Order: sequence, then structure tokens, then C-alpha cells
Amino acid sequence: DTGVSQNPRHKITKRGQNVTFRCDPISEHNRLYWYRQTLGQGPEFLTYFQNEAQLEKSRLLSDRFSAERPKGSFSTLEIQRTEQGDSAMYLCASSFEDGELFFGEGSRLTVL
Amino acid sequence: AQKVTQAQTEISVVEKEDVTLDCVYETRDTTYYLFWYKQPPSGELVFLIRRNSFDEQNEISGRYSWNFQKSTSSFNFTITASQVVDSAVYFCALSEHNAGKSTFGDGTTLTVKP
Repeated sequence: DTGVSQNPRHKITKRGQNVTFRCDPISEHNRLYWYRQTLGQGPEFLTYFQNEAQLEKSRLLSDRFSAERPKGSFSTLEIQRTEQGDSAMYLCASSFEDGELFFGEGSRLTVL
Repeated sequence: AQKVTQAQTEISVVEKEDVTLDCVYETRDTTYYLFWYKQPPSGELVFLIRRNSFDEQNEISGRYSWNFQKSTSSFNFTITASQVVDSAVYFCALSEHNAGKSTFGDGTTLTVKP
């Protein structure tokens, strides 16, 4: 299977804990994106990488959020000191240049 | 700044009816891309179509068709002879050339009843 893979699929954590999500993009794709989606809303852009360079971060992304893409392959999204407002579906997508996005199944975060 | 508006929050139709999902966008760029994605109940967003700003030719793919009109900044999506399997949330999205990110609308939930 050469689709976008995300894990874990579900994460339940207590407020104040740190969580990390991993995304493995389609291998031929040079761009990797993180989006956040809450109920009834469209995906909201968080950040994106072209190869290993993080080219843009949303202003919505507080200092508690950090993303990496070492070696331009897989990516991790870490949320430190989680808050209840962080509860959402975190979506990873990849593309080749400006092409269409291929999404993973998402990682659902619940902060208690 | 780019913006996508999908004014229809929910649409319900009976199987075999035709249905049109509206999308209006805002951008200052002259080169941009428009997309439609489908999110079925299973949750994973699936790409349907991509158009660039220089190609206003309408497109038909089976029961799906898209009407792109730059004059009204609209990119509407029509499903002909809808089926129950078309039930999903449909998102319109805009990406400016070399901007990287896509901006999504809030989606239209389509329910097709048997």
C-alpha cells in the first residue's frame, strides 16, 4: 500500500501531557501537510514541508505545536502541554508540487 | 488572503435526483487551483478534481460535472442521478500557485435517501 499512513489513529490523553503523531507520506511526494479538522468544519491548515524544509506555519499554530520532517520522509507533529481545545482530528496529506492532496485517515486526539 | 465559501451546509435529496453543490472563492492571485474533495462517513478525504485558473472548460466524469466560472468566482459541482453512495461531506478548496497550503470551505453534507 502506497497511501498516506498516520498513527496512532486515536489518542486519548490528559490535559497537560505531550502527544506525538506520525505521518508517512506517499514516497514520490515532495510536499507534506498537516491540517486540523473539528466537527462541522473543513480542514484547517497548520503547516507544510517541501522535502525537509518547513515552508509555512499557520498563525494558529501556537508554540506548543512543533512539526518536523527529518530527511524529507516521514513527519511528526508534537503537541506539548495539551489543552482541551486541542481535541480534534489531525490530518496529514502529501502532494507532488502543487498537485492534489492525498490524505491519510487522520489521528483523532481527545484531551480530557 | 484566500477564502472559500460553501453556503449550503446540508442538502438532502432522493436517489436519482440531480444535485448541485455551490462553491465561491476569493483570491488576489491570477494563478491558482481549485479542488473538490469527498469525505465519506468513513472519514478519509478523497480527491475528486483539480482545475487551474487558466482552464475554464467544464469537465464531466461519469455522473459528476464541474462548472468553473471566473467571472463569478465560482466552481460548482453537480452530481447527476444521485445514489446513496454519494452521501458524504464535500469540500471545495483553493490553492494559490506556489503558496503550498490549500484553503478549504466548511463543506456541504449531502444525504441521498433511497
